[in-house]
Amino acid sequence: NAGVMQNPRHLVRRRGQEARLRCSPMKGHSHVYWYRQLPEEGLKFMVYLQKENIIDESGMPKERFSAEFPKEGPSILRIQQVVRGDSAAYFCASSPRPMDGHYGYTFGSGTRLTVV
Amino acid sequence: DAKTTQPPSMDCAEGRAANLPCNHSTISGNEYVYWYRQIHSQGPQYIIHGLKNNETNEMASLIITEDRKSSTLILPHATLRDTAVYYCIVRPEWFDAGNNRKLIWGLGTSLAVNP
Repeated sequence: NAGVMQNPRHLVRRRGQEARLRCSPMKGHSHVYWYRQLPEEGLKFMVYLQKENIIDESGMPKERFSAEFPKEGPSILRIQQVVRGDSAAYFCASSPRPMDGHYGYTFGSGTRLTVV
Repeated sequence: DAKTTQPPSMDCAEGRAANLPCNHSTISGNEYVYWYRQIHSQGPQYIIHGLKNNETNEMASLIITEDRKSSTLILPHATLRDTAVYYCIVRPEWFDAGNNRKLIWGLGTSLAVNP
């Protein structure tokens, strides 16, 4: 039973390029959450998705960032026209139902985005 | 802002108990105390949670004061692999459509287990 899979683990992009971060939730999990962690900071909520629906995107920057969780395939966090300030670790978590109370999230190992 | 405060760093000798404190003086009646840890370069890992009773699992014990304004995570026999940042978070156990689903993360406590 594989955990939450994120790829790539490391991603380097030049300023102005696009970054696509992928997250495959645990088997049987239909709820996905994206968090961002800037260097030396705690995790910050970005977006919560269910299959084909964005439930809460209140933590997403209004421009350049988008997320999707299609019926088939992984969840995608897309950052257009990246800037140096987007350099961070991006973590995906999944749960079988909204914020499974008993065990909380299961997190992936993250994607470390470096913008040069 | 995070609803919890934790010391920024702690040291512990290998094999000894590590006691990590957390203050959450504004905790609400329906909010649980959750603990996660983040080992370097990995995603956070759930450890334990509780409401008002002390809890124990295979990883740790959680002691919550009677007034629920603070708690302590106890790693009974710390190993080098327990070196990580430990986060204390308060949140409702369940979320409905009207609740805030965001976990609010502080900076945690960086625990160094020394040989």
